[in-house]
Amino acid sequence: AQTVTQSQPEMSVQEAETVTLSCTYDTSESDYYLFWYKQPPSRQMILVIRQEAYKQQNATENRFSVNFQKAAKSFSLKISDSQLGDAAMYFCAYRRRGGSEKLVFGKGTKLTVNP
Amino acid sequence: DTGVSQDPRHKITKRGQNVTFRCDPISEHNRLYWYRQTLGQGPEFLTYFQNEAQLEKSRLLSDRFSAERPKGSFSTLEIQRTEQGDSAMYLCASSTSGGSQHFGDGTRLSIL
Repeated sequence: AQTVTQSQPEMSVQEAETVTLSCTYDTSESDYYLFWYKQPPSRQMILVIRQEAYKQQNATENRFSVNFQKAAKSFSLKISDSQLGDAAMYFCAYRRRGGSEKLVFGKGTKLTVNP
Repeated sequence: DTGVSQDPRHKITKRGQNVTFRCDPISEHNRLYWYRQTLGQGPEFLTYFQNEAQLEKSRLLSDRFSAERPKGSFSTLEIQRTEQGDSAMYLCASSTSGGSQHFGDGTRLSIL
């Protein structure tokens, strides 16, 4: 079974600084997707960024970028120029290609942004 | 795109009662998922529909749980004879095949 591990229960960053959230996963599949979702307090889960395993190029979305290391099964999220609105729980998730495409989530990292 | 809608946002009920939640997916999405999220944990998969067919169920989905998606549109999740351990946030998500999942706000269930 696939598993996703987020080893940092909590992280904090100063406004305008950069922070990196870690994620490792375990799978025997070769074709899959990885995601970072953001869940603000009492608010909706929002997709931050998506990475296809077959793509060597790391995905970027504005201030958000990933470092995808397929051999190491590592998928970290870098947030640049952190803003107060970035404060949330961040979940790393895995999905194999095909089948139900259900998501397997890590336990999350709570990010605090200090002014 | 009106997003995924879930109703109610909060449900408080006594142990042993039945509850039903509703999810309205994004209209063009053929796939619908239910997840459960307990405090301090990531969401866990419960079940999945493609159109009106329920194609996969997690072992977490005991026989007290039933889900439907009549006509491949909205979906309902019913919990019979609720127990304390059912207290959680129930999340619905929808997607197209191969697309990213979009989540609703969730229904928070509290069992007294």
